[in-house]
Amino acid sequence: GESVGLHLPTLSVQEGDNSIINCAYSNSASDYFIWYKQESGKGPQFIIDIRSNMDKRQGQRVTVLLNKTVKHLSLQIAATQPGDSAVYFCAEPVLWGGKLIFGQGTELSVKP
Amino acid sequence: DSGVTQTPKHLITATGQRVTLRCSPRSGDLSVYWYQQSLDQGLQFLIQYYNGEERAKGNILERFSAQQFPDLHSELNLSSLELGDSALYFCASSVGYGKSYEQYFGPGTRLTVT
Repeated sequence: GESVGLHLPTLSVQEGDNSIINCAYSNSASDYFIWYKQESGKGPQFIIDIRSNMDKRQGQRVTVLLNKTVKHLSLQIAATQPGDSAVYFCAEPVLWGGKLIFGQGTELSVKP
Repeated sequence: DSGVTQTPKHLITATGQRVTLRCSPRSGDLSVYWYQQSLDQGLQFLIQYYNGEERAKGNILERFSAQQFPDLHSELNLSSLELGDSALYFCASSVGYGKSYEQYFGPGTRLTVT
């Protein structure tokens, strides 16, 4: 079945540095991934997505990289700001219906 | 603000009781999903409705049930509550049914069972 997981439960970075959050998946047929950000007291919020026909996708200050060979994806946040402090989840929508399978999440703390 | 509303925000109740959580999807969204978030299980899919019909079920307990009404709002009913049911319950909505449709999450209902 589908499975996505994250490598580290917590990550602490200095304001202004770049952050890298990793995620591994198990199903080689997986073809679509989404990164969500969950701030304290709020629901998950869509950040960026990537399909398996791409290796890289860029958004505003965020980049997602997909390595299908090792079944790994990462979220890179450039010039991390205090407002980036949150829990980040990788998720995979399943084929039928689109329900999301979430990884465990990485809590990002940004030190001023 | 995602446009998805959930009520109540907090709920404290005793074991054995029954509660109802309510979700109003974004205007125009036909699909509603319910997720449970707990410390030990993470974010888990419970159930999905599309235009009033149940479309997918996850690891939802038999003590839990849900429905989507003609006005597209949805309710999640939790009965015979146990301490382990304490969690955050999120509702999400999307325009359509399928993996290509972005899901928008509500702020959640925090349920505490004492």
